[in-house]
Amino acid sequence: EDKVVQSPLSLVVHEGDTVTLNCSYEVTNFRSLLWYKQEKKAPTFLFMLTSSGIEKKSGRLSSILDKKELSSILNITATQTGDSAIYLCAVFDYGQNFVFGPGTRLSVLP
Amino acid sequence: DVKVTQSSRYLVKRTGEKVFLECVQDMDHENMFWYRQDPGLGLRLIYFSYDVKMKEKGDIPEGYSVSREKKERFSLILESASTNQTSMYLCASTTPAAGPDYGYTFGSGTRLTVV
Repeated sequence: EDKVVQSPLSLVVHEGDTVTLNCSYEVTNFRSLLWYKQEKKAPTFLFMLTSSGIEKKSGRLSSILDKKELSSILNITATQTGDSAIYLCAVFDYGQNFVFGPGTRLSVLP
Repeated sequence: DVKVTQSSRYLVKRTGEKVFLECVQDMDHENMFWYRQDPGLGLRLIYFSYDVKMKEKGDIPEGYSVSREKKERFSLILESASTNQTSMYLCASTTPAAGPDYGYTFGSGTRLTVV
C-alpha cells in the first residue's frame, strides 16, 4: 500500500532557528513530490520536486528530492513565527492520485 | 491572484438528501479535482476532470457523481447522503500548460456533516 511518512510529527523551535523536515515515501508510479504549508485554510503549494538532487528554493525555504533514498527534506532557515503551520508532504502518481503524509506541526516561538 | 472557490464552508445535511458541492476556478485550468480529507487518511481522490464534460473516477467514487458543464465549474454530487460521507471536501485545479513546476491550487474546503 502506498505510504508517505513524515518526521518529526511535531517540532517547537525559537525564532531564528533552522529546521529540517523529513519526508519518505513508498509509492508505486511515482511522478512527483510536493510540499504544502497548511494553516487555517487549504494547503498552500510550496514546491514540486520531480528530479533527484535539484534543490528548489523560495526565500528562506528550500527542498530537495532523493529518489534513490525515496525521500525529501524541507529546510527553513531563520524561522519566523509566521512559519508556524503544518507542513504536508505529498506524493503524486501517474494515476492522478495524491498520497499525503500526516504532516509536521511546526511551532515557532518568539 | 489565482482562485479556487468552493461555494460553502460548512454544510449540514440529513441522511438521504441529495447534496451539491460547487467549485469554481478563475484560472482557465483544464484539470479539476475533488478530494475528501479525513483524519489519518490524508487526501483521497474522488473524481477528476480533464476537460468540459469529461470525468474520471478516482480512488473512492462510490456514492458520488460529478458534473463539468463549463470549464470553470466542477460540481460534486452526493446522490443520497450518508453519515460516512461526513468529511472535509477539497476542490483543486491545475493546468499542464504552466510547465513542469505547476502546483495544485486548492479551494478552502467544505466541511460537510451528514446527520
